[in-house]
Amino acid sequence: DAKTTQPNSMESNEEEPVHLPCNHSTISGTDYIHWYRQLPSQGPEYVIHGLTSNVNNRMASLAIAEDRKSSTLILHRATLRDAAVYYCILRDERSNYQLIWGAGTKLIIKP
Amino acid sequence: DTGVSQDPRHKITKRGQNVTFRCDPISEHNRLYWYRQTLGQGPEFLTYFQNEAQLEKSRLLSDRFSAERPKGSFSTLEIQRTEQGDSAMYLCASSLVLGRNEKLFFGSGTQLSVL
Repeated sequence: DAKTTQPNSMESNEEEPVHLPCNHSTISGTDYIHWYRQLPSQGPEYVIHGLTSNVNNRMASLAIAEDRKSSTLILHRATLRDAAVYYCILRDERSNYQLIWGAGTKLIIKP
Repeated sequence: DTGVSQDPRHKITKRGQNVTFRCDPISEHNRLYWYRQTLGQGPEFLTYFQNEAQLEKSRLLSDRFSAERPKGSFSTLEIQRTEQGDSAMYLCASSLVLGRNEKLFFGSGTQLSVL
């Protein structure tokens, strides 16, 4: 199964940009990179996904390295409501497209 | 669109009892997943349905666990003869699969405590 590696936790100040890194060195050519986040006491919530090109939506931006072995989720202006666990996941063709979740990065936002 | 709903939100049971959880997915979604999550860990895949067909079960899933999705709508997850190790958050998610893209929508989960 293709795996991802993320830092256990990160801290950021409110209203500043946040860059959440993810390494996925065993990614295959057809694996999509997905990001979800989980707020306390809630189920995970979709954030963004991409294949090769950088992606933007109203929640975040996803920057994918040219070799696709790493990616970065960018929150342009973090608020206290962005405090959550962020999961970087590969949608892996080899595991019948199941999402293989790691432990994620706990993002702490300081006021 | 009211999102994915799960019932109950919390369940406390004694070891050896059977429990059943219900999930109501987003109405037009054709795929439904069950995950289990313990504290500090990401969700762990249990099983999923494409419409009413159960297409895959995790190798880790004990035969005490069974899931159904009659008529391809709501789903139930039953755990028989519960054990303390079954204590976890049970998450349901649904999706509408379009080609290779899939976006999962999760419910808030059922927190199971086995005493």
